[in-house]
Amino acid sequence: EAGVAQSPRYKIIEKRQSVAFWCNPISGHATLYWYQQILGQGPKLLIQFQNNGVVDDSQLPKDRFSAERLKGVDSTLKIQPAKLEDSAVYLCASSLRGGGLAAYEQYFGPGTRLTVT
Amino acid sequence: AQSVSQHNHHVILSEAASLELGCNYSYGGTVNLFWYVQYPGQHLQLLLKYFSGDPLVKGIKGFEAEFIKSKFSFNLRKPSVQWSDTAEYFCAVGTGNNRKLIWGLGTSLAVNP
Repeated sequence: EAGVAQSPRYKIIEKRQSVAFWCNPISGHATLYWYQQILGQGPKLLIQFQNNGVVDDSQLPKDRFSAERLKGVDSTLKIQPAKLEDSAVYLCASSLRGGGLAAYEQYFGPGTRLTVT
Repeated sequence: AQSVSQHNHHVILSEAASLELGCNYSYGGTVNLFWYVQYPGQHLQLLLKYFSGDPLVKGIKGFEAEFIKSKFSFNLRKPSVQWSDTAEYFCAVGTGNNRKLIWGLGTSLAVNP
């Protein structure tokens, strides 16, 4: 079974520039998550999709961050414009859909390390 | 608000020492509990999980965790650590219908050979 794919793995940009991250979840996983992980902290949920609908985006800084999952499979997360404090690892995870407990198990990609200078 | 506390931010052990990492959560309802591990240079992966039943759960690589409902705790243990256990360990709690996980800040474990 292929895992969650993310690209790029590393990105360095200057502040006020824009950046986009891509995620391809595990096949058949309807739920997709984007997390921000700052060094020394746990993952912080930015947005959760169920198929192509948003379930939770309460912690997404919507003035600069946006995310989409148009066909219910791949997803992109964009930051525009970037700030210094956006330097972090951006993690994508996916899980099965449904009301069962298996839907709690999240499978993570390798992450994208963003450095904003 | 729901929260997860991991008491130890950095732990340093020698090989063969016993390990216990603390995790407490604040939520009064039904919870589902997880420990995830992130080895250096690798992605987060599930170490073990508790949904219901026997409060002592066993995971991969000899790890186990005990759910103590009265203490709102889910501590991770391993009787004898190895150098390869050097990693970041995260406790997470799942609640609610949207299957959202609340994460602790993580514990960095370094095992000296």
